[in-house]
Amino acid sequence: EAGVAQSPRYKIIEKRQSVAFWCNPISGHATLYWYQQILGQGPKLLIQFQNNGVVDDSQLPKDRFSAERLKGVDSTLKIQPAKLEDSAVYLCASSPITGSPYGYTFGSGTRLTVV
Amino acid sequence: KQEVTQIPAALSVPEGENLVLNCSFTDSAIYNLQWFRQDPGKGLTSLLLIQSSQREQTSGRLNASLDKSSGRSTLYIAASQPGDSATYLCAVSTNTGKLIFGQGTTLQVKP
Repeated sequence: EAGVAQSPRYKIIEKRQSVAFWCNPISGHATLYWYQQILGQGPKLLIQFQNNGVVDDSQLPKDRFSAERLKGVDSTLKIQPAKLEDSAVYLCASSPITGSPYGYTFGSGTRLTVV
Repeated sequence: KQEVTQIPAALSVPEGENLVLNCSFTDSAIYNLQWFRQDPGKGLTSLLLIQSSQREQTSGRLNASLDKSSGRSTLYIAASQPGDSATYLCAVSTNTGKLIFGQGTTLQVKP
């Protein structure tokens, strides 16, 4: 079974620029999550989708972050404009059933550096 | 608001030693608790999952316990090996599957 795919692996941008990350979840997984992990901290949920609907985006900085999951499969997370404090690893995860911990799988992440 | 804390932040032990990692959470209304391992540049790997009705889970040299009433969990690693060197994260889950993580414990096992 293929895992959760993320791209790019690394990205360096200047502050105020925009950036987008892509995630392809495991086939058939209804739920998709984006987490932000700042160096030295645990991951923090930014947004959760069930199919193509948003379940939880309470911690997404909506003035600069946006995310979509078209057709309930792939997802993109965008930051515009980026700030220095957005430097972090962005992890995508997927699970077969919302609320179930079984099959919850993380991708390798995208490391963003804002300079 | 649920908060998860892990102690210690870092730990260095000689190979072969038994060790305990600690996790505490402020709200006992959890659905489950998981321990994850994170290697540099890689995603998270689930090590042990404890349902809210369970008290402990074991996998090989790993044993995790859960005490909801006191808001605590421990991860016990027996006979540590250099390959166990990684960051260990504790996370509690809500009913929607949202994971709330602690800040992690970075373990170094010296040969």
